[in-house]
Amino acid sequence: GENVEQHPSTLSVQEGDSAVIKCTYSDSASNYFPWYKQELGKGPQLIIDIRSNVGEKKDQRIAVTLNKTAKHFSLHITETQPEDSAVYFCAASTKNTGNQFYFGTGTSLTVIP
Amino acid sequence: NAGVTQTPKFQVLKTGQSMTLQCAQDMNHNSMYWYRQDPGMGLRLIYYSASEGTTDKGEVPNGYNVSRLNKREFSLRLESAAPSQTSVYFCASTTLPGTEAFFGQGTRLTVV
Repeated sequence: GENVEQHPSTLSVQEGDSAVIKCTYSDSASNYFPWYKQELGKGPQLIIDIRSNVGEKKDQRIAVTLNKTAKHFSLHITETQPEDSAVYFCAASTKNTGNQFYFGTGTSLTVIP
Repeated sequence: NAGVTQTPKFQVLKTGQSMTLQCAQDMNHNSMYWYRQDPGMGLRLIYYSASEGTTDKGEVPNGYNVSRLNKREFSLRLESAAPSQTSVYFCASTTLPGTEAFFGQGTRLTVV
């Protein structure tokens, strides 16, 4: 099956700085790459996603980039705020395995006021 | 809309006991999933149901069974709980496989 690796596992930034989280995947057939934010005691919530026919997508302070050749994708958060503090998960899915989601191991982001 | 609702939120079981985790969604989604979340391991798929009437194994199905009762409900059963099944369990649903997943609030299960 697919293998998704995520780095770093923890990240601390000053408020207003940018944060970048990187993921790699193994299955070249993967075609959907969502990012989820999980706050303490809650379920993950989608914050942005990208499909394999697109290289970059932005939504206000959040952007995702995808490099299909290198099989990696990244989450960029600009002008970070304390409420961005959470655990972030990347995921990949492919038709080859019934469009199951394979998740990275998560990044705990702390934004220091 | 409540979205995805899981019950119970917390449960403590003794080794060997059985229980069923319930999940219901009110978004008319076709596909439903059960994940477990363990520290440092992200979310791992236990079972999924691509559509009503079908179920398939995910990455870690051993020790679990599922039932897609109808389009709204997807339950996860532990027949004989083991300490290794101590985890947080999340149910999720999607309109179609490979689209945005909506998650429930989770069930924190401890097996002693």
